[in-house]
Amino acid sequence: GESVGLHLPTLSVQEGDNSIINCAYSNSASDYFIWYKQESGKGPQFIIDIRSNMDKRQGQRVTVLLNKTVKHLSLQIAATQPGDSAVYFCAETLGGSQGNLIFGKGTKLSVKP
Amino acid sequence: DAMVIQNPRYQVTQFGKPVTLSCSQTLNHNVMYWYQQKSSQAPKLLFHYYDKDFNNEADTPDNFQSRRPNTSFCFLDIRSPGLGDAAMYLCATSVSHRDTQYFGPGTRLTVL
Repeated sequence: GESVGLHLPTLSVQEGDNSIINCAYSNSASDYFIWYKQESGKGPQFIIDIRSNMDKRQGQRVTVLLNKTVKHLSLQIAATQPGDSAVYFCAETLGGSQGNLIFGKGTKLSVKP
Repeated sequence: DAMVIQNPRYQVTQFGKPVTLSCSQTLNHNVMYWYQQKSSQAPKLLFHYYDKDFNNEADTPDNFQSRRPNTSFCFLDIRSPGLGDAAMYLCATSVSHRDTQYFGPGTRLTVL
């Protein structure tokens, strides 16, 4: 469903530590998932994606894990840096001809130097 | 290198005064989307175009309209802005519905 709410969950980590941001998605028929990073005053920026035929995908310093059994998605950021501070949104899509993105609530990542 | 461009970045309008926000893309993508995002919330889809086919979300107010005169440009028209329409408006594009959406920097709308 659509995200509502005024208070974002916050994750605070020390610079250099690994971060794990979790997301529960809503529809078992969703077949494509994306993580976006949104810095203050900017548009969402694509980080990494994964399709439902995979359970893990790695990028540069980021890894996305997909557990379809429990409808859970996670984003792991290795060696977190101050520049990683942002709000992170997961998004799912049902695909098909009208497969619009459904965004999760978002998690605010705060990196302490 | 800009791929999805939004103008202006900041827009101030008066209550009830029509306003148009602009989006252009250099990606030649088929689909263009308009989202509304309020503080500490996820983007909310208003409508999208697949080529020239317009698709409106069921809960998008009639006050919001859109035009796509060609592949590259898409406009968001707010006919009579209310105070509750103050938000960040995001444009995004994708090759198809099954592909990644790429977002522009957004236009922050203030309604006085």
